[in-house]
Amino acid sequence: QKEVEQNSGPLSVPEGAIASLNCTYSDRGSQSFFWYRQYSGKSPELIMSIYSNGDKEDGRFTAQLNKASQYVSLLIRDSQPSDSATYLCAVKRPGIIFGKGTRLHILP
Amino acid sequence: EAQVTQNPRYLITVTGKKLTVTCSQNMNHEYMSWYRQDPGLGLRQIYYSMNVEVTDKGDVPEGYKVSRKEKRNFPLILESPSPNQTSLYFCASRGTGNTDTQYFGPGTRLTVL
Repeated sequence: QKEVEQNSGPLSVPEGAIASLNCTYSDRGSQSFFWYRQYSGKSPELIMSIYSNGDKEDGRFTAQLNKASQYVSLLIRDSQPSDSATYLCAVKRPGIIFGKGTRLHILP
Repeated sequence: EAQVTQNPRYLITVTGKKLTVTCSQNMNHEYMSWYRQDPGLGLRQIYYSMNVEVTDKGDVPEGYKVSRKEKRNFPLILESPSPNQTSLYFCASRGTGNTDTQYFGPGTRLTVL
């Protein structure tokens, strides 16, 4: 079983709608979780981190963590065309281990 | 400005010719790492370093070497590059606090012919 799994997509969402991105992880002892956004050919940039069960909101982004289910999600409200990118879920192990990413396409 | 720099940004070389990709950070971070990114395989960790003179293998260390003689620098060495090492390489750094953010360099696109 891969350590961090994501659906590769592409996930197509109409502009203004909510985009929902999901991730599962295998190491039950993991404590730190991250969502990165990566535009084509660019380096990843951190958009959200979450460390405890529940929701964490930052602007249009909400990260959700459920350690019992080993599940992390990212919600993007009011999706914009500029949100079109690949979203990487990552877990601290001590190295930061990444999923393969989900390509998100916001339809104008 | 806090940043991670990598050089070169682009490199085309031939099989077997030793090369070094440099990485430097100005944030006094203890932790540094190297990743490679390939289509369909995502970001995979090559090596990481928790501090000066402390390095450890990641998931795909074969064919690579690293050194950490100074806190700010973490070069990636390919002693005898092969075509399967053609990839996009990223260096990253972060502090060791639980909430510290990992910063990435701009990437090095390497082609081995």
